[in-house]
Amino acid sequence: RKEVEQDPGPFNVPEGATVAFNCTYSNSASQSFFWYRQDCRKEPKLLMSVYSSGNEDGRFTAQLNRASQYISLLIRDSKLSDSATYLCVVNRGYGGSQGNLIFGKGTKLSVKP
Amino acid sequence: GAGVSQSPSNKVTEKGKDVELRCDPISGHTALYWYRQRLGQGLEFLIYFQGNSAPDKSGLPSDRFSAERTGESVSTLTIQRTQQEDSAVYLCASSFLGVGYTFGSGTRLTVV
Repeated sequence: RKEVEQDPGPFNVPEGATVAFNCTYSNSASQSFFWYRQDCRKEPKLLMSVYSSGNEDGRFTAQLNRASQYISLLIRDSKLSDSATYLCVVNRGYGGSQGNLIFGKGTKLSVKP
Repeated sequence: GAGVSQSPSNKVTEKGKDVELRCDPISGHTALYWYRQRLGQGLEFLIYFQGNSAPDKSGLPSDRFSAERTGESVSTLTIQRTQQEDSAVYLCASSFLGVGYTFGSGTRLTVV
């Protein structure tokens, strides 16, 4: 089983749609979870961290289910500018130290007018 | 500096030559990471530094790849006897205490 798995998409949605991405991870010792966004031929940029209680940042909602080792990202009222690849990221975890980040292969989102 | 700086931004090299890629992390960031991203593929972890030690170098694809870091500063990734399959974007990221991972804009390596 891959350390981080995502549906590669692409997700093609109209402006204003709500879209959800899912991700599963295999290492139960993972401590930190993130969603990154990567635009074409650019470096990844942090979109948001994911907390156990779930967290929201404007139109974006992230949720974590530790029991199922599952992370989700919900985007409401999609904008054209949301078109990008969304990367699910999990830290490998070294007993409380930073460890390193393991990236999923990403889910491509294309928002159409 | 204000961000993670990588150089060169682009490198074209002949097969068999050695290349050295440089990463300047954000000042004060203790952790530094190297990743590789082939065209249309996901990020592939190469090596992670905490200070100048490397707790995890499990991602280095072969012994042609090596990396070092001076203190909590600059890191260099060296690829010896480059092969065409080494062509990729090499991304460096830094962080402080596991938060705020910031990526540089990468070095695009093309081996011809």
